[in-house]
Amino acid sequence: QQQVKQSPQSLIVQKGGISIINCAYENTAFDYFPWYQQFPGKGPALLIAIRPDVSEKKEGRFTISFNKSAKQFSLHIMDSQPGDSATYFCAANRGSTLGRLYFGRGTQLTVWP
Amino acid sequence: DSGVTQTPKHLITATGQRVTLRCSPRSGDLSVYWYQQSLDQGLQFLIQYYNGEERAKGNILERFSAQQFPDLHSELNLSSLELGDSALYFCASSGYGTRGNEQFFGPGTRLTVL
Repeated sequence: QQQVKQSPQSLIVQKGGISIINCAYENTAFDYFPWYQQFPGKGPALLIAIRPDVSEKKEGRFTISFNKSAKQFSLHIMDSQPGDSATYFCAANRGSTLGRLYFGRGTQLTVWP
Repeated sequence: DSGVTQTPKHLITATGQRVTLRCSPRSGDLSVYWYQQSLDQGLQFLIQYYNGEERAKGNILERFSAQQFPDLHSELNLSSLELGDSALYFCASSGYGTRGNEQFFGPGTRLTVL
């Protein structure tokens, strides 16, 4: 059973556009929601993370929006660049346990110049 | 560079064989996690160690085992290998306290079973 569901599977965006990736979770015990970026041949790299006590977190061009009541969170990439082309994974865990991450299936983002 | 190192980078072996994957966590990190990444299953959690002790198990096959040594490096042992074990294997590490949730991934070991 997939604990974190991610969509879309793939996304094509023009340079300068906004990329939006969505995730949903079921387990209300989850309280830590990171996003990872993975380039081909590399390991996932932590991009940005949020806890449910805030509804939005912004770091540079990357923003996480969090909707606790809907059990959804999303990643927005503003002014998308060709260098952002990668696979993005959302994840979740029970932060207090410092335990395993439950990952979404990933979104392959392609930004056209 | 995450600070997590994994060796080897690539491993090609035959069915029925046994291999060992090695991971060195970031300096000071006590937790080590192993994940398997395949096209059909995505990123799947295998096992977690904390300061030498097994802490949690995920979808790890009985043919697989792991350990964390006193110097905190970890090894994942895969035996009686099958074609379906071909995948990327990642190690991640995390610290403690308020930043203990941040898991940093190594570059991975690509295992090919022929």
